[in-house]
Amino acid sequence: GNSVTQMEGPVTLSEEAFLTINCTYTATGYPSLFWYVQYPGEGLQLLLKATKADDKGSNKGFEATYRKETTSFHLEKGSVQVSDSAVYFCALSNAGGTSYGKLTFGQGTILTVHP
Amino acid sequence: NAGVTQTPKFQVLKTGQSMTLQCAQDMNHEYMSWYRQDPGMGLRLIHYSVGAGITDQGEVPNGYNVSRSTTEDFPLRLLSAAPSQTSVYFCASSRGTSGGYRADTQYFGPGTRLTVL
Repeated sequence: GNSVTQMEGPVTLSEEAFLTINCTYTATGYPSLFWYVQYPGEGLQLLLKATKADDKGSNKGFEATYRKETTSFHLEKGSVQVSDSAVYFCALSNAGGTSYGKLTFGQGTILTVHP
Repeated sequence: NAGVTQTPKFQVLKTGQSMTLQCAQDMNHEYMSWYRQDPGMGLRLIHYSVGAGITDQGEVPNGYNVSRSTTEDFPLRLLSAAPSQTSVYFCASSRGTSGGYRADTQYFGPGTRLTVL
């Protein structure tokens, strides 16, 4: 079956530091890959996505590249801000056919950014 | 658009009580789902629906019932609450994959925090 593994957290960084959160996956076929972010007290919202190998998703300074050869979708940001403090979830969806895009999530990584 | 709305925001139940978590969306999405979020375990799919009148089980369906009588609403019923159902519950909706939308962005509600004593 499908599975997603994220690096263990929590991650604590100083403002303007470089961020990497690792994500690897196991899936059949050609899944779509997502990063969702959850700010304190809120629901999840889509941060970025990629639908095929070598696609790069980007949003708000965050980037992730769909690497089929390493089954990875690592999240990066060059300079984090205090406002980036949140929980980040990697997820995949085997869209197409009758799967209707059910999401499989990683366990989440808590990011705290200090001034 | 209000997007995905959930009520209540917080709920405390005693073991054995029943209740319904409400979820509604105004985006005319075909696909709706319920997840539970537990520390260190990410989100796990409870039940999902691909359209009015059609529901199916997800990864952790035991102890929960759903129905989908309209496109907009997808309530989750706890039949006899247990402490193991203490969690944060999220409802989500998206367009279905019919029609060629391969990347199924799901839109999440704000969540319901449930405590079962």
